Amino acid sequence: KAGVTQTPRYLIKTRGQQVTLSCSPISGHRSVSWYQQTPGQGLQFLFEYFSETQRNKGNFPGRFSGRQFSNSRSEMNVSTLELGDSALYLCASSLEWGANTEAFFGQGTRLTVV
Amino acid sequence: AQSVTQLDSQVPVFEEAPVELRCNYSSSVSVYLFWYVQYPNQGLQLLLKYLSGSTLVKGINGFEAEFNKSQTSFHLRKPSVHISDTAEYFCAVSEFDGNKLVFGAGTILRVKS
Repeated sequence: KAGVTQTPRYLIKTRGQQVTLSCSPISGHRSVSWYQQTPGQGLQFLFEYFSETQRNKGNFPGRFSGRQFSNSRSEMNVSTLELGDSALYLCASSLEWGANTEAFFGQGTRLTVV
Repeated sequence: AQSVTQLDSQVPVFEEAPVELRCNYSSSVSVYLFWYVQYPNQGLQLLLKYLSGSTLVKGINGFEAEFNKSQTSFHLRKPSVHISDTAEYFCAVSEFDGNKLVFGAGTILRVKS
């Protein structure tokens, strides 16, 4: 079956703009989590959604937001982009909401802010 | 709060030699433990996980890890590495708190011929 699909794969934006990233989970999976990966900070948890509800949120400013749709697809939005937002953004899908369910990762969206 | 320490940022090793990548975690409660691998320009792939039961966990590609509760460690091992194992490896923990993963800083495994 198809894996986790993230679009777009690459994105270049200007400081101050806003951006929306998309994640389609594996069919049947109902939980989606987002992570930011940078050389300096490593992999950091952004938020997770299950059944269209945000269940957990990491320590990021309010400029970072997300949502999940009824078909489990998820989007994350970053407003007023800063240079430091340049990163690989990874989406992970899981069958259910629970720490013992495996997370499957997409290939990521590489965002460059100039 | 949980934290994960991967003690080596880079591990160089010759092909067919054994390797151990070290991981220590800190948590006030019981956790689930994971090892992921990331190849260049790719997402993360699960190598193995410890949820409960036997402390020796076998994963894909010949990797295994041992959970040591008293030492709060979850070291990853492979008896004989291949060039294709060159990648970055991440240890992660999850408390009983949804699917949130806390990752270590990663260890780059460089396999030399």
